[in-house]
Amino acid sequence: AQRVTQPEKLLSVFKGAPVELKCNYSYSGSPELFWYVQYSRQRLQLLLRHISRESIKGFTADLNKGETSFHLKKPFAQEEDSAMYYCALSGVSGNKLVFGAGTILRVKS
Amino acid sequence: GAVVSQHPSRVICKSGTSVKIECRSLDFQATTMFWYRQFPKQSLMLMATSNEGSKATYEQGVEKDKFLINHASLTLSTLTVTSAHPEDSSFYICSARPSGGNQPQHFGDGTRLSIL
Repeated sequence: AQRVTQPEKLLSVFKGAPVELKCNYSYSGSPELFWYVQYSRQRLQLLLRHISRESIKGFTADLNKGETSFHLKKPFAQEEDSAMYYCALSGVSGNKLVFGAGTILRVKS
Repeated sequence: GAVVSQHPSRVICKSGTSVKIECRSLDFQATTMFWYRQFPKQSLMLMATSNEGSKATYEQGVEKDKFLINHASLTLSTLTVTSAHPEDSSFYICSARPSGGNQPQHFGDGTRLSIL
């Protein structure tokens, strides 16, 4: 079974502080992992995917198959990073996505 | 690019009526579209995968006769909630994958459905 776990419902940090949003997954095959972000009153949008291995808006995420994790990191949080972040997994079944519960990131000034 | 339009954004109707929600890919073709349901303060739950020109694939526990999906063209999928009841009230979100290549899903704005 495919499962995505985001243990934190809310993460609150100060501006300029490092951020790490945790994501662990369960999947028997080779998954593809994504981070989606939803800013206030906006639609869900792709932030990054592990196969791209790129940094978007200063965020990075590395797939760790040994720990089955795909944590999202940013060295210095900005107020505009405040949003809901969803980790998602896609297996081989038609590329459907399984979402984690989401983590609200609040960056305080 | 890669814009998904979902309509209507909000619907309020009486119990027993049927409601149709449209999902359109505006600037790309999508062989596959997806329909999700999101309860308050919860994550997105996949309801079904909509395949152009063929029957939708429903997730376990989702009633096919309650949630009718039609994907008649490469840019349009519709979800019809038949004989809606208050327990069907929810936030419904669609997404679309561009055809060809390993491309990610793009999401619509969602539809808030309220059944009185």
